[in-house]
Amino acid sequence: DQQVKQNSPSLSVQEGRISILNCDYTNSMFDYFLWYKKYPAEGPTFLISISSIKDKNEDGRFTVFLNKSAKHLSLHIVPSQPGDSAVYFCAATQYYDYKLSFGAGTTVTVRA
Amino acid sequence: KAGVTQTPRYLIKTRGQQVTLSCSPISGHRSVSWYQQTPGQGLQFLFEYFSETQRNKGNFPGRFSGRQFSNSRSEMNVSTLELGDSALYLCASSVTYEETQYFGPGTRLLVL
Repeated sequence: DQQVKQNSPSLSVQEGRISILNCDYTNSMFDYFLWYKKYPAEGPTFLISISSIKDKNEDGRFTVFLNKSAKHLSLHIVPSQPGDSAVYFCAATQYYDYKLSFGAGTTVTVRA
Repeated sequence: KAGVTQTPRYLIKTRGQQVTLSCSPISGHRSVSWYQQTPGQGLQFLFEYFSETQRNKGNFPGRFSGRQFSNSRSEMNVSTLELGDSALYLCASSVTYEETQYFGPGTRLLVL
């Protein structure tokens, strides 16, 4: 049962524009959410996280928005750069469950 | 500070054999988690250890096992390998589980 869903397998965006990645979850017990970026043949790299007590968290070019009522979060990358081309995974967990549930990933391609 | 290290990076085995993968967490991190990544199933949680105790286990058969040592290093073992066990095995560490998990580069296992 996929509790975290990324319904867009791919996204193509022009350099300098905004990339918006979406993620939906079904488990209302999730209270911590993370985004990871992954290049081929490497492990996922942590990007940004958000706790369920917040609705927005910013870190440089990356902003994550959380809409608890809709069970939806999104990652905004502004401006997009060629080095952002990678697979992005959304993950969720609940405290004391000790495991991350991942979405299937979205492949982002930033065009020059 | 050195990141999470995993050995070996690549491994080729035949069906029926067993394999042991190793993970050294970031210094000071006491929680170690293991994940399997395959094209069809994405990133799936295997198990999590803290202070040598397994606190959660994913939906994998008993052929998959793990352990953690007093220095927080962890190993996972897969016995009686099957073709479907071919995957990228990722290890992640965190200070406690409630902190962000940081991933190693993974071990690519190919079962022939």
